[in-house]
Parts: sequence; structure tokens; C-alpha cells
Amino acid sequence: QKEVEQNSGPLSVPEGAIASLNCTYSDRGSQSFFWYRQYSGKSPELIMFIYSNGDKEDGRFTAQLNKASQYVSLLIRDSQPSDSATYLCAVNIGMRGAQKLVFGQGTRLTINP
Amino acid sequence: GAVVSQHPSWVICKSGTSVKIECRSLDFQATTMFWYRQFPKQSLMLMATSNEGSKATYEQGVEKDKFLINHASLTLSTLTVTSAHPEDSSFYICSARLAGLSYEQYFGPGTRLTVT
Repeated sequence: QKEVEQNSGPLSVPEGAIASLNCTYSDRGSQSFFWYRQYSGKSPELIMFIYSNGDKEDGRFTAQLNKASQYVSLLIRDSQPSDSATYLCAVNIGMRGAQKLVFGQGTRLTINP
Repeated sequence: GAVVSQHPSWVICKSGTSVKIECRSLDFQATTMFWYRQFPKQSLMLMATSNEGSKATYEQGVEKDKFLINHASLTLSTLTVTSAHPEDSSFYICSARLAGLSYEQYFGPGTRLTVT
């Protein structure tokens, strides 16, 4: 089982709709979770992080975390064509002082005008 | 805030030569920096973790003598690809983690290396 799993997509969503991206992880001890957006040929850009169970909202983005189910998701409301990118889920693992991010393979999202 | 730069943004070198890539945190101090490699249509692969003032920790399968990492200050880490070969051609990306209890990592723009 991979440490962090995402559906690779592609996920196609009409403009203005809600895009829902999902991620599961295997390490029950993980405490911090991140969503990065990566445009083709560019490096990842941090868009959300979440540490506590529940929802965290930032503008059009909402991150949801359920530690019991080892599940984290990202919702993008009012999707725009500029949201078309690959979204990487990352989970912080390891002992204190030796922690690192493990990335999923990414979900390619396309917003159709 | 949390801006990370990399230099060069792209480089072409001949097989057998060495290439140095610099990673700088511009507006914050980073006790820990990370080096990743990304091949086309694949996710990020962590190569090594670089801590200021100490030796880097390499991931399994990454040759430490080939990929030399130096983290001389709280704002600068360098990756040197020694005796580069065409299979080393890739997108190399560094990231920096804020000092303290924060776990967020901020990425540099990446360096595209082509070995001919």
C-alpha cells in the first residue's frame, strides 16, 4: 500500500462547479497534511494545510480532514479555468526532528469553460 | 513571505561534468531544506533532507557521492550533481521549511537539468 494515494484523474469539472479532490494515507501517526497545486512545467505551490479534524476554509478552497478514516480532501468552489493543474496531496511523516513530506502521485484537474 | 529561489532555472551540461544548483530562502530562515527530483508526468521524489550545519540525510537509493548537498547557512543549500549522465536529466526542486514548529514547506521554482 502506498503511503499517500490519490486518484490520478484526469478529473474534468465544468466552470463554476465544485471540484472535489481526495487523498488517503497509511500512517496513522501523521499530524499535518498539505495540498499543493502544480502547473505544467512549474514547481508546486502550497495552497492549503490542515492539522485538525474537520474543515478549514480559505477563499474558494476548503480542506477536510478525517484522521479516523485517514482521509483528506480538497474542495474548490466556483471552479475557474485557471484552477486547471495537478493537485498534490502531501502528508508529513516521521519522528520529530526527522520529518518529511510524502507526496501522492497527484490528480490532474481540468476546468472546462 | 516564504519565498524560495533557485539558480540556475535551467542548465545544459555535457556528460561527465558537474553542475551546482543553489537554493535560497529569501525572506525567512530555514533550518531544513529538501531536494526533490521530478521526472515527466511523475510525482515528486524526495532525494535528501538538508539541515543547516550538519550532513544531509539521503533517501534510499540516492547516491550521496553523486548528489553532494551542502547547507552552509540558514538561507542557502546547494546540490551538486557530479559526473552527470543523461539519465540525471530531470527537474530538480528544492523546498525550505520555516524554522520553529511550522511544518509547511515552500518550493523554489525548480532547475531543469539536461545532460547531453
